[in-house]
Amino acid sequence: KNQVEQSPQSLIILEGKNCTLQCNYTVSPFSNLRWYKQDTGRGPVSLTIMTFSENTKSNGRYTATLDADTKQSSLHITASQLSDSASYICVVSDRGSTLGRLYFGRGTQLTVWP
Amino acid sequence: EADIYQTPRYLVIGTGKKITLECSQTMGHDKMYWYQQDPGMELHLIHYSYGVNSTEKGDLSSESTVSRIRTEHFPLTLESARPSHTSQYLCASSEYRTDTYNEQFFGPGTRLTVL
Repeated sequence: KNQVEQSPQSLIILEGKNCTLQCNYTVSPFSNLRWYKQDTGRGPVSLTIMTFSENTKSNGRYTATLDADTKQSSLHITASQLSDSASYICVVSDRGSTLGRLYFGRGTQLTVWP
Repeated sequence: EADIYQTPRYLVIGTGKKITLECSQTMGHDKMYWYQQDPGMELHLIHYSYGVNSTEKGDLSSESTVSRIRTEHFPLTLESARPSHTSQYLCASSEYRTDTYNEQFFGPGTRLTVL
C-alpha cells in the first residue's frame, strides 16, 4: 500500500530557530516528492519539488532533501519567522498512471512563537 | 499565487439542502481535481477531470457529483447534504505534462458545515 508518513505530528519552536521535518514514503514507482505549506483555512502552496535524481532543493529559507534509496525526505526551515506557522505536507507522486496520482501525508503542524 | 478560485469560502447549511461548490481557474489547465480534507488528516481525492466532458471518481467514495462543461470551470454538487459531508473541500488544477513535474495548484478551499 502506498503511504506517506510524516513526523513529528506537531512542533513548537521559537522565532529565529531552525527546525527539520521528516517524511518517509513507500510510494512506488516513485516520480517526484513535493513539500507544500498550508496555512489554516487555505489551500496548500508548493514549496519544493524533487525527482529521484535530485537530492536537495532550496526555496529561500526552506531546504528539502531527498534520499530515494531509503525513501526519506526532510524539510529544513532556517531562521524561522512567525509567518512560518502552518501545516507542512509531504506529497509523493507515482509514475504508474497518466493522472500522476498524489499521495499525501497528514502534515506537520508547525507553530512559531515570538 | 495561483489563479484558481473557489466560492463560497464558508458555507453553513441544513440537512437535505442541495449545494454547489464552485471552482474556476484562469490558467488554461486541462486537469482539475476535487479533494476532501478533515482537520489533521490527509487530503483525499474525490473527483478529477482530464478535460472538457471528462469526469472520474477518485480514491475516496463521495456522494457528490461533478461536471466539466468548460475548461476553466469544475463545480461540485451535493444533491442532499448531510452532517457527514461536513469537511473542507479543495479544488486543484494542473497542466497536462509528459514529464514528471505535474504540479497541482490549489484553490483556497470551501469549508462546508452541514447542521
